[in-house]
Amino acid sequence: DAGITQSPRHKVTETGTPVTLRCHQTENHRYMYWYRQDPGHGLRLIHYSYGVKDTDKGEVSDGYSVSRSKTEDFLLTLESATSSQTSVYFCAISESRAGNTIYFGEGSWLTVV
Amino acid sequence: QQQVKQSPQSLIVQKGGISIINCAYENTAFDYFPWYQQFPGKGPALLIAIRPDVSEKKEGRFTISFNKSAKQFSLHIMDSQPGDSATYFCAATMVGSSNTGKLIFGQGTTLQVKP
Repeated sequence: DAGITQSPRHKVTETGTPVTLRCHQTENHRYMYWYRQDPGHGLRLIHYSYGVKDTDKGEVSDGYSVSRSKTEDFLLTLESATSSQTSVYFCAISESRAGNTIYFGEGSWLTVV
Repeated sequence: QQQVKQSPQSLIVQKGGISIINCAYENTAFDYFPWYQQFPGKGPALLIAIRPDVSEKKEGRFTISFNKSAKQFSLHIMDSQPGDSATYFCAATMVGSSNTGKLIFGQGTTLQVKP
C-alpha cells in the first residue's frame, strides 16, 4: 500500500466551526489531491497540489481551502463547516501528472451537525 | 461534457456469474480510462485501465471493453466471487502535458456476489 495517512479518520463537528483534515505521505510524490465521495456522485476533486506551495482548484472547491508547506503534507480546511460538507474525504497522491499512477488514502469521515 | 455516467447503480450476481458495469463519456479528449475497486472503509484502488487505442484489455478475471465510436466502456468480471463484492468506479482523464492527474469519476456501482 502507498504510504498515505489521513487524519483524523472520523470527526463530528458543529456547523460553523473550522475543520482541518491532514494528509501525510511517505512516498515523496509531487502531486497530491483531495476528493470527496458522496452517494450518487462518485468521487469529485476538491483541490490538488503540483508541488510545495503550488495548489489549484478542482470541480467542487467552494468552501474549502488547502495548503502544502511540505512535500509530505497536504491540508484541507473547511473554514466554516456546513451540513452539505458531510462526506467522506479521500487524499490521493501521484508520482507523475499523467493521471495513471494515483493512489488513495483510506478516507476521513466527516459529519457536520 | 466532463461527466462520466455509470450504470447500474447496484448489481447482484450469483457466484460464478458474469458481472457487467457500463460507463459512458462525452469528452473525446479523455485518453485514459481506469476502473477502481473500493471495499467498505477503504480508499479506491486501481483495478485495471485501458487506453483508447485498444478495444479490450484483460487481466485475470477482469476485462475492459472499449468502444471509442460510441464513447462507452465496460468492466466485465468473469466467474464472479463473493470476494469481488465491492463498489466499482469507472473514471476518465487526459494523460497529457497540461493535465495534472485529475480523474473524472462515474457514480459508482455496488456489486454483491451471492454465494
